[in-house]
Amino acid sequence: GENVEQHPSTLSVQEGDSAVIKCTYSDSASNYFPWYKQELGKRPQLIIDIRSNVGEKKDQRIAVTLNKTAKHFSLHITETQPEDSAVYFCAASRGLTGGGNKLTFGTGTQLKVEL
Amino acid sequence: DAGVIQSPRHEVTEMGQEVTLRCKPISGHDYLFWYRQTMMRGLELLIYFNNNVPIDDSGMPEDRFSAKMPNASFSTLKIQPSEPRDSAVYFCASSSRGLANYGYTFGSGTRLTVV
Repeated sequence: GENVEQHPSTLSVQEGDSAVIKCTYSDSASNYFPWYKQELGKRPQLIIDIRSNVGEKKDQRIAVTLNKTAKHFSLHITETQPEDSAVYFCAASRGLTGGGNKLTFGTGTQLKVEL
Repeated sequence: DAGVIQSPRHEVTEMGQEVTLRCKPISGHDYLFWYRQTMMRGLELLIYFNNNVPIDDSGMPEDRFSAKMPNASFSTLKIQPSEPRDSAVYFCASSSRGLANYGYTFGSGTRLTVV
């Protein structure tokens, strides 16, 4: 089955700096890669996703890049703000081409944005 | 849309008791997933349904866990008998086969404590 590794487990940045979280996956058939943000005591919420036919996707201050050859993808947050502090999870699946979009999650990154 | 609705939000029970967690997916979503979240193991997929049919229950820890989806708007996850190691947050999520939305929407979760 799919295995997703995520690094780092904790990340501390100064407000206004950029943050980068990296994930690798093992299943070459995976074609859908979402990122979720989970604030303390809350549900995970989808913040951005990318499909395997795209190398990069951007939405305001967040962007995701995908390298299919190396089987890794990354989340980039620019101009970080205190409200970006949360746990971020990457995930991978075969989408609807197989496995019914069963997501395998990384272990999470605790991001802390300091004033 | 009210989103994915889970009940109860919190459950405290004694070891050996039966516990039933409930989930109402988003109307029109044809996939439903049950995940368990702990500090040690992160987000683990327990079971998922497509059109009310269980597709993959390989993540169910043992026979003490069972899940049902009698109709498109309701699912239950039952633990009998419960054990302290079952303490976790249990999330239900739903998604759609529609091309516009591969990503899951999570419910608010049920925090289960078995004492």
